[in-house]
Amino acid sequence: DQQVKQNSPSLSVQEGRISILNCDYTNSMFDYFLWYKKYPAEGPTFLISISSIKDKNEDGRFTVFLNKSAKHLSLHIVPSQPGDSAVYFCAASYSGTYKYIFGTGTRLKVLA
Amino acid sequence: GAGVSQSPRYKVAKRGQDVALRCDPISGHVSLFWYQQALGQGPEFLTYFQNEAQLDKSGLPSDRFFAERPEGSVSTLKIQRTQQEDSAVYLCASRDGRHQATEQFFGPGTRLTVL
Repeated sequence: DQQVKQNSPSLSVQEGRISILNCDYTNSMFDYFLWYKKYPAEGPTFLISISSIKDKNEDGRFTVFLNKSAKHLSLHIVPSQPGDSAVYFCAASYSGTYKYIFGTGTRLKVLA
Repeated sequence: GAGVSQSPRYKVAKRGQDVALRCDPISGHVSLFWYQQALGQGPEFLTYFQNEAQLDKSGLPSDRFFAERPEGSVSTLKIQRTQQEDSAVYLCASRDGRHQATEQFFGPGTRLTVL
């Protein structure tokens, strides 16, 4: 039973345009969400997070939006750069636990 | 300072062999996690240590998997009598503190291939 879902396995975007990566979750107890980026042969690297008390968090070119009623979050990258090409994982957690539940990832390719 | 390191980076084992995978967390990090990442999947939780105490091993797939962190720093994940389905990337992560709202820092992983 996949509690965190990333339904798009891949996404291609032109350099300079917006990349939107989506993530859905089923467990209403989740109250903390993260995005990780992964390059080949490297471990995942933390990108941005959001607590359920917020609906938006911004860090430079990266913004995460949380829609609790829809159990949906998205990562916006503006403007997209070729160096953003990687696999992006959405992860979720809830108070009282310490483990993250990861989605299956979306491979983003930014075309120059 | 240095990030999380793991060794070996690649391991090929014959079915039935025992393997040991090492993780050096970021110095001073209290929390340490092991994850298994199968091809095309996201990381899946295996086990969690707080200092030397293994507080959660609910994700270990069988009793062939064993993890330890005897002095609260370096950790070893051991897999006995490896099977082909054990082939995956094994990721170690550490975190400063216990609160969930602190990101985990991942190592590069050990890619295990069981023939």
